[in-house]
Amino acid sequence: QKEVEQDPGPLSVPEGAIVSLNCTYSNSAFQYFMWYRQYSRKGPELLMYTYSSGNKEDGRFTAQVDKSSKYISLFIRDSQPSDSATYLCAMRYQAGTALIFGKGTTLSVSS
Amino acid sequence: EAQVTQNPRYLITVTGKKLTVTCSQNMNHEYMSWYRQDPGLGLRQIYYSMNVEVTDKGDVPEGYKVSRKEKRNFPLILESPSPNQTSLYFCASSPGGGGRHTEAFFGQGTRLTVV
Repeated sequence: QKEVEQDPGPLSVPEGAIVSLNCTYSNSAFQYFMWYRQYSRKGPELLMYTYSSGNKEDGRFTAQVDKSSKYISLFIRDSQPSDSATYLCAMRYQAGTALIFGKGTTLSVSS
Repeated sequence: EAQVTQNPRYLITVTGKKLTVTCSQNMNHEYMSWYRQDPGLGLRQIYYSMNVEVTDKGDVPEGYKVSRKEKRNFPLILESPSPNQTSLYFCASSPGGGGRHTEAFFGQGTRLTVV
């Protein structure tokens, strides 16, 4: 079983839709959870960072962590064509350990 | 402007010819790391450095070397490149002592082809 699982998509939605992106993981020792956005031919860009369980909101983005289910989510409200990108979840046990990435979900938002 | 700069952006080389990919950050970050990104495998960490003269292996260090002689620079060295090292490489940095919890800034990437 892979440490971090993420559905690659592609996921296609109309402009204005609410998007839900998800990752599951197998190791309960993960404590730090991140979401990155990667545009084609660019480096990943940090979107959200969460420690342990709970929700975090930043503008149109909300990150959720459910450690009991080993499940993390990223919600995008009022999606825009500019949100079209690959979204990567990532997590690590503690500072100084390897950051483990999911394979990414490709999102396309049509106008 | 805060940034992580990698050079070169594109490189085609032959098997066995030593090469170095440079990475420089202008944010005085203590933590730097290297990743490779491959289709179907995602991003995997090669090496990381918590501070000057402190480096450690990530998940896929075989065939790579790094050095951290100055805080701003973290070059990735391929002593004898092989075709299976053909990949997209990213350098990343983060602030804070003792390593941070997330890679805050990524470079633009270096696409390496080994023939």
